[in-house]
Amino acid sequence: AQSVTQPDIHITVSEGASLELRCNYSYGATPYLFWYVQSPGQGLQLLLKYFSGDTLVQGIKGFEAEFKRSQSSFNLRKPSVHWSDAAEYFCAVGGTGFQKLVFGTGTRLLVSP
Amino acid sequence: NAGVTQTPKFRVLKTGQSMTLLCAQDMNHEYMYWYRQDPGMGLRLIHYSVGEGTTAKGEVPDGYNVSRLKKQNFLLGLESAAPSQTSVYFCASHTGVSSEQYFGPGTRLTVT
Repeated sequence: AQSVTQPDIHITVSEGASLELRCNYSYGATPYLFWYVQSPGQGLQLLLKYFSGDTLVQGIKGFEAEFKRSQSSFNLRKPSVHWSDAAEYFCAVGGTGFQKLVFGTGTRLLVSP
Repeated sequence: NAGVTQTPKFRVLKTGQSMTLLCAQDMNHEYMYWYRQDPGMGLRLIHYSVGEGTTAKGEVPDGYNVSRLKKQNFLLGLESAAPSQTSVYFCASHTGVSSEQYFGPGTRLTVT
């Protein structure tokens, strides 16, 4: 069965510091992987996605993620965090075409001054 | 393009009351989904539709019904609301080609 694990419920990072959010997945075939961001009271916005090809994918707002098949991971990174990055981040896995996305439970990012 | 819109944004119901949440998309997407979001549980799929006139159950369908009479609209119904249905409900859609799901802004429902 598909599943996504985000082991960190909360993470606090100082503004300007680097960030890595962890995501591990379980999927029976080649996965499509996504990172979404949710600001308080808002819907979900797609940050980036991996379908195939280059395992390092670039997204919006300076985020990137690396797909590591051997580790079943798709960690999200940002070299320098801004206060506006404070939000909840969700990793999701799905398949081709029609897809029932499975979401992780989310990681709440807090940014300290 | 408005994208995906949801009506209403907020609602308070008493136990046993009924209501319908409306999702509308103007992107001509085939696939539409209803999720609920609860603290510490991420998003869980309630029902989905792969095209006009078709619906199917997701992970947590009990207590909900859906209809997709028009391609652009996906309705989620609660026939007899229960406090356990207090949640934030999100609608999403996609073409199936790009596989990226586009989300609406959500409906916050409280059942007392």
